[in-house]
Amino acid sequence: AQTVTQSQPEMSVQEAETVTLSCTYDTSESDYYLFWYKQPPSRQMILVIRQEAYKQQNATENRFSVNFQKAAKSFSLKISDSQLGDAAMYFCAYRVDSNYQLIWGAGTKLIIKP
Amino acid sequence: GAGVSQTPSNKVTEKGKYVELRCDPISGHTALYWYRQSLGQGPEFLIYFQGTGAADDSGLPNDRFFAVRPEGSVSTLKIQRTERGDSAVYLCASSPRPVTGGRTGELFFGEGSRLTVL
Repeated sequence: AQTVTQSQPEMSVQEAETVTLSCTYDTSESDYYLFWYKQPPSRQMILVIRQEAYKQQNATENRFSVNFQKAAKSFSLKISDSQLGDAAMYFCAYRVDSNYQLIWGAGTKLIIKP
Repeated sequence: GAGVSQTPSNKVTEKGKYVELRCDPISGHTALYWYRQSLGQGPEFLIYFQGTGAADDSGLPNDRFFAVRPEGSVSTLKIQRTERGDSAVYLCASSPRPVTGGRTGELFFGEGSRLTVL
């Protein structure tokens, strides 16, 4: 079965510092995509960053970057220079190339301390 | 509208009642998805529409749940004889085209409808 595990229910970080959120997944597929979504109190899921499994280079989007370890089936999110607006639930998600269903982790609540 | 619109934002109902949740996707998006997010969990897939047809309804939990998209735009999720276990946030998302076949495909989500069954 395909599963996504986020082992940190909650993380906190001082404003302007760096934080890493963990995600592991289980799959036997070779072609897939991984995503990090942010869900603020408004409930709208917002795509933060995505990674194609066939790409060895880690994806980056401004202050957000990932550490994708395919063999270890690990996909962590690093947020640099944390800002108050980064406070939200963060969800890791996985999708097989041949399917459209996203498989989600349980989420990590990120708290930013001013 | 500019984004995916879902109504109502919040719905409180009594056990046994019928409920409809509406999703208005981004104009021109052919693919539409419903997910259910229970408290403290990630979303779970319910149903996927490509155009007017339900391409995959394998995530619907039972026959009390039904969804339609008659004109290929607005979709309505219908829940009959609601139960307390149906309480959740129901998220709708759309994409310009199906996200399979080598396309990374960003999904655009609405703000969800929070359903509370008393």
